[in-house]
Parts: sequence; C-alpha cells; structure tokens
Amino acid sequence: QKEVEQDPGPLSVPEGAIVSLNCTYSNSAFQYFMWYRQYSRKGPELLMYTYSSGNKEDGRFTAQVDKSSKYISLFIRDSQPSDSATYLCAVPNQAGTALIFGKGTTLSVSS
Amino acid sequence: DAGVIQSPRHEVTEMGQEVTLRCKPISGHDYLFWYRQTMMRGLELLIYFNNNVPIDDSGMPEDRFSAKMPNASFSTLKIQPSEPRDSAVYFCASTGPTSTDTQYFGPGTRLTVL
Repeated sequence: QKEVEQDPGPLSVPEGAIVSLNCTYSNSAFQYFMWYRQYSRKGPELLMYTYSSGNKEDGRFTAQVDKSSKYISLFIRDSQPSDSATYLCAVPNQAGTALIFGKGTTLSVSS
Repeated sequence: DAGVIQSPRHEVTEMGQEVTLRCKPISGHDYLFWYRQTMMRGLELLIYFNNNVPIDDSGMPEDRFSAKMPNASFSTLKIQPSEPRDSAVYFCASTGPTSTDTQYFGPGTRLTVL
C-alpha cells in the first residue's frame, strides 16, 4: 500500500458548489499533513497544513484529519473558477526527512 | 526574492542525447529537491540536498540520472543518455530550515524526448 493515496478525478463542479477532496494515508504515526495547489503549467504551492489533532480553517478552505480512518480532507466552500487546479496532499515520510505527495485531484469549477 | 528559478522551461531532445536541467533555489534555503511529475506516477522525489550535500538519491531511477549542487545557489540534474520514457515535468524545490518545512517550487522544466 502506498503511503498516501488520492483519487485523481477529474472533478467538475459548478461555481458556488462545496467541494470535498480526499486522501488516505497508511502510517498512523504521521503527525501533520499538507495540501498543495498546482495551477496548470505551474509548480505546486502550499495551500494549507494541519496537524493530526483536527481541523483547520482558512477562508473558504477547511482541512480536516480523521485519524481513526486515516483520512484527510480538504473542503472548499463557495467554489470559484479560480479554484480550478490540481490539489495534492502531502505527508512527511517515515524518517521525517522529506514529503510524499499524492498524485493529485484535478478540480474544474465552471462559471 | 524571485523564487526558485529553473531553466530551460521547455526542452525537446532526441533519444540518446544528454539533457541538463538547472535550478537556482531561494537564497538562504538549506534544502533543495528535484522531483519528476507524470500523469501515471504523480510527483516523485528524485533526490534532495542539504547544504549542497546529497542526502537521499534513492528516487533516482537509473544511473543515467545524476545531480550535483556545486554551491548554495545552483544545482543541475543531468540525464545521459535520455530516453522517451524520461519525458515528464521536472521540478526543483527549496526549503529550510528543516526538510519538511513548506517547499517552494520552481515553474518546472517540461522535457520531451523523441
């Protein structure tokens, strides 16, 4: 089993919809999790990070961790066309020396 | 700061040719990473450096791949000889003071090997 898995999508929603993006992870020792956003033809950039203790909210974005099911989620409220991008979850590797990225979920928000 | 700088942005070459990708990290960052991104495999870590020293190159796919960091402001990733399956987007990222802090990615080099 890979350390982090993510459904690649694509996911298409209308403007204003609530979006849920998800990853599963294998190692219960992971302490914190990151979400990166990657626009087309650009490098990924950090969107949010959260510790394993719970939720974190930043504007329209909420990152959530469910330790019991080893599930991390990113919710986007009132989605906008500018949210159209690929979203990658990331966790530190077991040695805590580097990040492991999910394959990314491609989101398209239509106006 | 200009961010992480990569060159070239696009590279088209023929099978068997040598390819050199270049990266300038953000000044003051102690860690530099090279990644490869494909649709099939996602974003894969190839190698990373700490203070110009290679720390983990277990992600380097074959001996055809090599990376160097001669100083704190420059790194290269070389493929010799190149093969069509090397076609991908190659990203450089830097961070500090720890290796799992926020990584700042460059714009990537889109490599096509014919």
